[in-house]
Amino acid sequence: SSELTQDPAVSVALGQTVRITCQGDSLRNYYATWFQQKPGQAPVLVVYGKNNRPSGIPDRFSGSNSGNTASLTITGAQAEDEADYYCHSRDSSGNHYVFGTGTQVTVL
Amino acid sequence: QVQLVQSGAEVKKPGASVKVSCKASGYTFTSYAIHWVRQAPGHRLEWMGWINTGNGNTKSSQNFQGRVTITRDTSATTAYMELSSLRSEDTAVYYCAKNGDGDLHYWGQGTLVTVSS
Repeated sequence: SSELTQDPAVSVALGQTVRITCQGDSLRNYYATWFQQKPGQAPVLVVYGKNNRPSGIPDRFSGSNSGNTASLTITGAQAEDEADYYCHSRDSSGNHYVFGTGTQVTVL
Repeated sequence: QVQLVQSGAEVKKPGASVKVSCKASGYTFTSYAIHWVRQAPGHRLEWMGWINTGNGNTKSSQNFQGRVTITRDTSATTAYMELSSLRSEDTAVYYCAKNGDGDLHYWGQGTLVTVSS
């Protein structure tokens, strides 16, 4: 399957830790990339590769991978982290890409 | 700095085609592929396809059943995405994006395409 499946929604208390997961067969061979998207805005890359962050992304964002599951962890969630998060990777053929179903993160 | 500037909003009738442009600047255009992604209102991101801006080779998602055509003009440092046989479900914001430190590091501002009779 080329699908990447995420939980639809998660909530986290301010300052606590939340993990967002992404499952798919292609993740056994390819790393996931993670995007944050706020309403009305273009997505922003937050984590890529094994566990890398572009310049300007806080170090409270981290990524990990195990088998067919990729995870994005926000350690010490802040109010500004409330957003939709999408994983992204190549499909099993390696020639096409696919986005995950998306996870809405609410910071309480 | 890297910039991707897209063309403006479009309103099209069902059955028509739309062509969205993505003007790149701040880097060597032919060194990075450009991807196209869309997002219908209230829906998830959907990858449409990509173009190797160096040699012009393209790959498109099978979800579009041959309706999407991606091209580039290297002299204008611009990529284009044309979607044909439009239907109401194609109403969405269309984005171009390029790799950088990671996949899809840089994004255009988005172009709203509305399909309505």
